Amino acid sequence: EVQLVESGGGLVPPGGSLRLSCAASGFTVSSYWMYWVRQAPGKGLVWVSRINSDGTETDYADSVKGRFTISRDNAKNTLYVQMNSLRAEDTAVYYCARALVGSTRAPPFRYYNYMDVWGKGTTVTVSS
Amino acid sequence: DIQMTQSPSSLSASIGDRVTITCRASESIGTHLNWYQQKPGKAPKLLIYAASILQTGVPARFSGSGSGTDFTLTITSLQPEDFATLYCQQSYTTPLTFGGGTKVESK
Repeated sequence: EVQLVESGGGLVPPGGSLRLSCAASGFTVSSYWMYWVRQAPGKGLVWVSRINSDGTETDYADSVKGRFTISRDNAKNTLYVQMNSLRAEDTAVYYCARALVGSTRAPPFRYYNYMDVWGKGTTVTVSS
Repeated sequence: DIQMTQSPSSLSASIGDRVTITCRASESIGTHLNWYQQKPGKAPKLLIYAASILQTGVPARFSGSGSGTDFTLTITSLQPEDFATLYCQQSYTTPLTFGGGTKVESK
């Protein structure tokens, strides 16, 4: 079964650090683009970061750039995000997601980039 | 950044109703538009990608259309399990951005 399981969330004071993990099963993370998406309490979805399939490209939302680092361990088939200098506004449920990126082989001929597998999320609370 | 605006932000509907949600991008994104459904306490679930392609396993009562800046998600006959929040998301460029969500509630 294709599955993602996040862990590592918790309560951390402002300025603190946390590393979230996302363990994959049923597929190989190094074969896919992988994303982190977060959702503050009662709010909508916000994209946080992504890493491409060969690990050569990473990208971040401006709100986390310079503070968060996405990475993966191919041997452990796990995605990570290292979160430093945490702020109250980083409080959220953090989801990891697998993305499929490519183009369709049959009509309608389209490019696509979508998140087809999501974990259940892990909660990060930044508070003193 | 590309802004995604959904309307309405919420709606009330009955079982069997036809429901239409719109999503507008602040600039043209071609068909780089995905739709997700989220139920309380759960992860989002992909419904439609590339504006109009139904994800495997998603009921055919869901459909998507549009290109450029204007997109639509339609549920042809609302079912009890469809009460949820729906999000559009552009995948044209980073930062990827989501619409604010449309909450579909029972009338």
